[in-house]
Amino acid sequence: SYELTQPPSVSVSPGQTARITCSGDALPKKYAYWSQHKSGQAPVLVIYEDSKRPSWIPERFSGSSSGTMATLTISGAQVDDESDYYCFSTDSGGNHWVFGGGTKLTVL
Amino acid sequence: EVQLVESGGGLVKPGGSLRLSCAASGFNFTDGWMNWVRQAPGKGLEWVGRIKSKADGGTTDYAAFVTGRFTISRDDSKRTLYLQMNSLETEDTGVYYCTDFDVWGQGTTVTVSS
Repeated sequence: SYELTQPPSVSVSPGQTARITCSGDALPKKYAYWSQHKSGQAPVLVIYEDSKRPSWIPERFSGSSSGTMATLTISGAQVDDESDYYCFSTDSGGNHWVFGGGTKLTVL
Repeated sequence: EVQLVESGGGLVKPGGSLRLSCAASGFNFTDGWMNWVRQAPGKGLEWVGRIKSKADGGTTDYAAFVTGRFTISRDDSKRTLYLQMNSLETEDTGVYYCTDFDVWGQGTTVTVSS
């Protein structure tokens, strides 16, 4: 079955740039999406279609995709950005969604 | 206010059934392709399945682990999404979210235990 691979954890100091990667064989042809999920809260979409940002998401969040890897970048990370981040996308057939294993971002 | 509110979770024995509901408000539910996503304790998010809008055929797709046990349906007149879960296993324990990926509910907790 199709898989998306993320690093389990990323750690940065406040104000630094955090980059979280997501690799998958279908990413050259399928969009990557990113959600932020804080414990006990509903997930929040932060990036869709590789690099588009919902209007309610701060500009410091950006996304990119090249080949089999998509990247979520948080420029000038803040303590409030500490969360689990998940990439998700469809398989090559487009009918089944898959989530990456999630990356715990620590900002301290 | 744009909102999805899940309900129907609870404690059920292995082999039992449960029906989850998700009430939508504040956005165009009828045209939305809706998903169920779950999170087992200590684990990551996992896609369960999706139903397309009636205009796009209303068809469903499921994750492989569903193996015919779950059924997603929708009632657009009630702006409600459903997840019927049968033959539940302990591995189905978790928080279940409904979402169109733009909007997410707060989730409802399902516990499968004897």
